[in-house]
Amino acid sequence: QKEVEQNSGPLSVPEGAIASLNCTYSDRGSQSFFWYRQYSGKSPELIMFIYSNGDKEDGRFTAQLNKASQYVSLLIRDSQPSDSATYLCAVNWGTGFQKLVFGTGTRLLVSP
Amino acid sequence: DGGITQSPKYLFRKEGQNVTLSCEQNLNHDAMYWYRQDPGQGLRLIYYSQIVNDFQKGDIAEGYSVSREKKESFPLTVTSAQKNPTAFYLCASRDGMQPQHFGDGTRLSIL
Repeated sequence: QKEVEQNSGPLSVPEGAIASLNCTYSDRGSQSFFWYRQYSGKSPELIMFIYSNGDKEDGRFTAQLNKASQYVSLLIRDSQPSDSATYLCAVNWGTGFQKLVFGTGTRLLVSP
Repeated sequence: DGGITQSPKYLFRKEGQNVTLSCEQNLNHDAMYWYRQDPGQGLRLIYYSQIVNDFQKGDIAEGYSVSREKKESFPLTVTSAQKNPTAFYLCASRDGMQPQHFGDGTRLSIL
């Protein structure tokens, strides 16, 4: 059973701080990793994806992947109240057709 | 304006009724997916399709059916066999090895 684990939160951070969201996965065969942001009542939107070990930066967002330890994280710098949402981690196993397994999400609250 | 369109936004099902959720994309994507999301839970895969006239069951396909007669369309039918259909249904599509992107979703409730 392939599993993706996230702390449900809420993770509360003050405006301007760094928010750190973590995700662990059960199978070393996983190949690609995705972070989606979901506002309440809305559909998920892609924030970042990462395939290789290390860091990948895009604006205020940094995805970090450590395949040996089987975790992927998302850092949000200079957090804004508009970042308050649920962040879903998704993992694709194997190199064939993309089928994602999603975690249950971490709720982030950024207070002004 | 390219995108994934799901309709209706809200849908109500009566006991014993089949209902069909529409998903249309004009992105020329080959792969399409249907997910279900329950409150406080992640997305679970119902069905997916890699090409026209071909589709496979996901993790929770029981009580659902799909068709893929056209590249741009992937409708999902929630049958009366699905005893707990109340959920947020999300359609996604993907081009090549790119990430999946989602439509706005359909909320299905029981009358």
